[in-house]
Amino acid sequence: QQQVKQSPQSLIVQKGGISIINCAYENTAFDYFPWYQQFPGKGPALLIAIRPDVSEKKEGRFTISFNKSAKQFSLHIMDSQPGDSATYFCAASIVGNTGKLIFGQGTTLQVKP
Amino acid sequence: DAGVTQSPTHLIKTRGQQVTLRCSPKSGHDTVSWYQQALGQGPQFIFQYYEEEERQRGNFPDRFSGHQFPNYSSELNVNALLLGDSALYLCASSLPSGGYTFGSGTRLTVV
Repeated sequence: QQQVKQSPQSLIVQKGGISIINCAYENTAFDYFPWYQQFPGKGPALLIAIRPDVSEKKEGRFTISFNKSAKQFSLHIMDSQPGDSATYFCAASIVGNTGKLIFGQGTTLQVKP
Repeated sequence: DAGVTQSPTHLIKTRGQQVTLRCSPKSGHDTVSWYQQALGQGPQFIFQYYEEEERQRGNFPDRFSGHQFPNYSSELNVNALLLGDSALYLCASSLPSGGYTFGSGTRLTVV
């Protein structure tokens, strides 16, 4: 029940295209859903996050869509650029419970020029 | 403003040995969490320290232990190393309410 399942494992997108990564969770106590971006040799960096009281959050080219009833959320990267090539992780946590993050397995995104 | 600093960046140890990894949190942060990231996997929570005490622990054996110092810096100790302990060890600092900042990690290789 603590798992967060992420798909696809890898993704190749042309420059200018839309990248979509999906995650699903089981624990309905989760109330914070961040997405992290990780480049080789670096730690994860927070990209964007959402709480379950909203269905969508947009920051620049990055959008999170959240479906509470389906227990699913997704990351959309609009106008994907080669510099977006990285590994993306979804995560979930319970705010106020130390903030321990449960991560998905990761998606390796390659944006071709 | 320095972010989270981890040392060393890389480390090679032999099975059965012991290792200590170090973390200095971001300025203003008083909570330190440690994660293990195996190759090709998402990070897994090891434990969190706040006010020099272990606040929560993930599903890791007692060979994994930690410490937090009065200046909020932290150490992760792993005893009796196994090949399966080879991973990237990430430190993340935060305020008690959350909002993690991750370091670049220590790459541990056990041979």
